[in-house]
Amino acid sequence: SQTIHQWPATLVQPVGSPLSLECTVEGTSNPNLYWYRQAAGRGLQLLFYSIGIDQISSEVPQNLSASRPQDRQFILSSKKLLLSDSGFYLCAWAPGVSEKLFFGSGTQLSVL
Amino acid sequence: AQSVSQHNHHVILSEAASLELGCNYSYGGTVNLFWYVQYPGQHLQLLLKYFSGDPLVKGIKGFEAEFIKSKFSFNLRKPSVQWSDTAEYFCAVYNNNDMRFGAGTRLTVKP
Repeated sequence: SQTIHQWPATLVQPVGSPLSLECTVEGTSNPNLYWYRQAAGRGLQLLFYSIGIDQISSEVPQNLSASRPQDRQFILSSKKLLLSDSGFYLCAWAPGVSEKLFFGSGTQLSVL
Repeated sequence: AQSVSQHNHHVILSEAASLELGCNYSYGGTVNLFWYVQYPGQHLQLLLKYFSGDPLVKGIKGFEAEFIKSKFSFNLRKPSVQWSDTAEYFCAVYNNNDMRFGAGTRLTVKP
């Protein structure tokens, strides 16, 4: 069966520090991968999605970037965190573009 | 940890039928509640959300949901579904530290 792992669960970082959140999927190949952010008082915002290695689309311009170094690994990064980057980040995968999403357990990021 | 249950895995309705999708959560504190929809070939979209106030929340495309605190429920409703409502529906619960999604309900509306 397929599983998705996301870590760390919580992270407290100072402003200006770098960020790396990792997400891996097991039990499937060539999944579609997604990074979402849940900001306080708002719904989910799609940040990035990837339909394959080196195929990453950004939905909103921001201080973050994403990479997919391996088929089942999706990394969310930042070179210098801003206060506004605080929020709850969710990784998700789907077998295909029109397929159901499966979510990771999330990362609560606090930038101080 | 909080959890979210969506009891219906797959619902099949005819056009004009009424819809109710169940969602129950386990967290006892203050929560934010959401319903998201994923149409075929599209990304996740927010249907509606509840943070506080009137427990009957109206969303886009004629959907509404009612928060019943005593039952830990946030059921999604629509009086008359259309073929275009065919999609996957996710209930989600969020507080400051955690967000959980239900397993999703696939709605198929037959023309």
